[in-house]
Amino acid sequence: DVKVTQSSRYLVKRTGEKVFLECVQDMDHENMFWYRQDPGLGLRLIYFSYDVKMKEKGDIPEGYSVSREKKERFSLILESASTNQTSMYLCASSLFPGAIYEQYFGPGTRLTVT
Amino acid sequence: AQSVTQLDSQVPVFEEAPVELRCNYSSSVSVYLFWYVQYPNQGLQLLLKYLSGSTLVESINGFEAEFNKSQTSFHLRKPSVHISDTAEYFCAVIVTFGVQGAQKLVFGQGTRLTINP
Repeated sequence: DVKVTQSSRYLVKRTGEKVFLECVQDMDHENMFWYRQDPGLGLRLIYFSYDVKMKEKGDIPEGYSVSREKKERFSLILESASTNQTSMYLCASSLFPGAIYEQYFGPGTRLTVT
Repeated sequence: AQSVTQLDSQVPVFEEAPVELRCNYSSSVSVYLFWYVQYPNQGLQLLLKYLSGSTLVESINGFEAEFNKSQTSFHLRKPSVHISDTAEYFCAVIVTFGVQGAQKLVFGQGTRLTINP
C-alpha cells in the first residue's frame, strides 16, 4: 500500500511565524504535490515537484515556498504565516509525470494561524 | 472560466435511496475525468476515472459515472447508498498548461453526501 504521511494533523501558529509542513511518501514516487482545501473552493494546487530539487508553481503559490531535497520528502514552507493561510493542507504523490496517474493523498494538516 | 463545476455543495439522502452527484466540465479542457472521495478525517482516494473507451465507468463499491460529451458532464451515481458512503466527493479534470505541456488536476468545489438512516 502506498503511504503518504504528513508530520502533523493539527497545527496552531501565530501570525508572522515561519511554518514548515512536511510530507513523506514511501513508494518511490516521482511526483509530489501540495494542495490547500477550503470549504466551497475544493482543492487548489500550491506547488508541485516532478523530481528532486525541481519545483513548479501551481495556481496559488503566493506566500508559500517548497523544498524537495530527497525524493521521498516534500516540504511546504510558509515564510511568514498570515491568518488567510488558515486551511487544510493536503500532500499527494504519484508514480509518473502526468496527472492521468492516480494521486495518493496524505491525511492532511489542519493549520490555524492566529 | 471554471474548468470543473459541481452543482451541489450538499446532498442529503436516505439510506438505500439512489443518488446522483453532478459534475460539469469546461469544453476547453481535456476529457480525462476523475471522481475522488474523502471520508471523514482522511485524505482523498480515487473512486473512478475516465480516460478513454467506454463512457460508463464503475467503482468497486457500486458507484458509476458516465462521460457525456454533448452535455460536458460526468455525473456520479449509485442506485442504493449506505451509511458508509457518507463523505465528500470531488470531481476533477486534467488541465494542460505552460509551454512544456505540464499537466495538473483541477478539482471541483466538492459535494458533501450525507446519508440519513
